[in-house]
Amino acid sequence: NAGVTQTPKFQVLKTGQSMTLQCAQDMNHEYMSWYRQDPGMGLRLIHYSVGAGITDQGEVPNGYNVSRSTTEDFPLRLLSAAPSQTSVYFCASSPGLAGGQRRARETQYFGPGTRLLVL
Amino acid sequence: DAKTTQPPSMDCAEGRAANLPCNHSTISGNEYVYWYRQIHSQGPQYIIHGLKNNETNEMASLIITEDRKSSTLILPHATLRDTAVYYCGRYAGNNRKLIWGLGTSLAVNP
Repeated sequence: NAGVTQTPKFQVLKTGQSMTLQCAQDMNHEYMSWYRQDPGMGLRLIHYSVGAGITDQGEVPNGYNVSRSTTEDFPLRLLSAAPSQTSVYFCASSPGLAGGQRRARETQYFGPGTRLLVL
Repeated sequence: DAKTTQPPSMDCAEGRAANLPCNHSTISGNEYVYWYRQIHSQGPQYIIHGLKNNETNEMASLIITEDRKSSTLILPHATLRDTAVYYCGRYAGNNRKLIWGLGTSLAVNP
């Protein structure tokens, strides 16, 4: 298994541009999440999904859209990039209810991250 | 504001136990305590989690106080490869949200 993959690894955008950060997992996990990580702020949840067709907002959802049309993919869209969105973005997945014991089903597996710079 | 607080940094000698504290005084009854670590700028890696009882796995032990207001992650024999930022978090399964602390940067010294 490749686990959780993210593309691109690094991206530079100009203010106002739009782009999509890709996230895919091949573990048949139900739950997927997007986090951003900023110095001094730790990891903050942007959006999450508990299954195909179901998404919800996290702590910092403004400026981002998500969709979950398949179990495997959970793209994050920046509609109009702003310098405040300069960050490292991590995608994560967890087994969810299909994971059996609670210990397994809620453990999150993280991708390698996407580093985004908005000028 | 419900917070999870951790010391910003700690040192540990190689081969000794590393004890990393976390304060989660406002944790709810159904929220689990989770620990992850992040080496360099890689994606965070799961270590351990627990609800009320102490837990142990191949990586670490987790001690949760009886009132659940704090916990300690124990790396019994720290190695140089354990140098990382360790994050404590609260997770309520009903809302699928893992709320993180700011992390402790652990330096394991030879």
